[in-house]
Amino acid sequence: EADIYQTPRYLVIGTGKKITLECSQTMGHDKMYWYQQDPGMELHLIHYSYGVNSTEKGDLSSESTVSRIRTEHFPLTLESARPSHTSQYLCASSEYVAGRDEQFFGPGTRLTVL
Amino acid sequence: GEDVEQSLFLSVREGDSSVINCTYTDSSSTYLYWYKQEPGAGLQLLTYIFSNMDMKQDQRLTVLLNKKDKHLSLRIADTQTGDSAIYFCAPFSGGYNKLIFGAGTRLAVHP
Repeated sequence: EADIYQTPRYLVIGTGKKITLECSQTMGHDKMYWYQQDPGMELHLIHYSYGVNSTEKGDLSSESTVSRIRTEHFPLTLESARPSHTSQYLCASSEYVAGRDEQFFGPGTRLTVL
Repeated sequence: GEDVEQSLFLSVREGDSSVINCTYTDSSSTYLYWYKQEPGAGLQLLTYIFSNMDMKQDQRLTVLLNKKDKHLSLRIADTQTGDSAIYFCAPFSGGYNKLIFGAGTRLAVHP
């Protein structure tokens, strides 16, 4: 069982609020990722990190920002939430094992912006 | 960018076999994953296959890879109600150094 945690699991918030979605892993993985998933749709990579102080934007443009000050922690922040940010956000971490990069996913945060 | 296509829905009777198909475009895919997502949950890694393999069997799961046609399939034998979920095909793109996800196939198992 992968040890990757996300809080909160569900969040309903008003427009204009600042929010931070938390993601932590206890496996010591260097690589971490944030995906956005709309209902019935594929996952889109919005941010990733190869290690401490490393952050990169993914394929899908996102107004969110991330930070990686500690290996185990990869929070995602929205400075001013809007209804268009309503989605499920999935965090993942990965390790390189036996010639492949294996990603483990957290349970997700379902965000609703009113 | 690279693309992964899956049929959106599959309905099977309990005890039958399920076959979920996937086509992809990235010829640099070195390994390919199948993930399972249950309602309200994250993705759970089910199995994987390296691009130099044709088939891999893991208990009730059989993965078939036709690299020439860029076609991947997941067969679930003796499908149970607990197998009801969304299944994602995810090739790892060597060119882009990341997983490419399809939209997922929703498997419904009925008695």
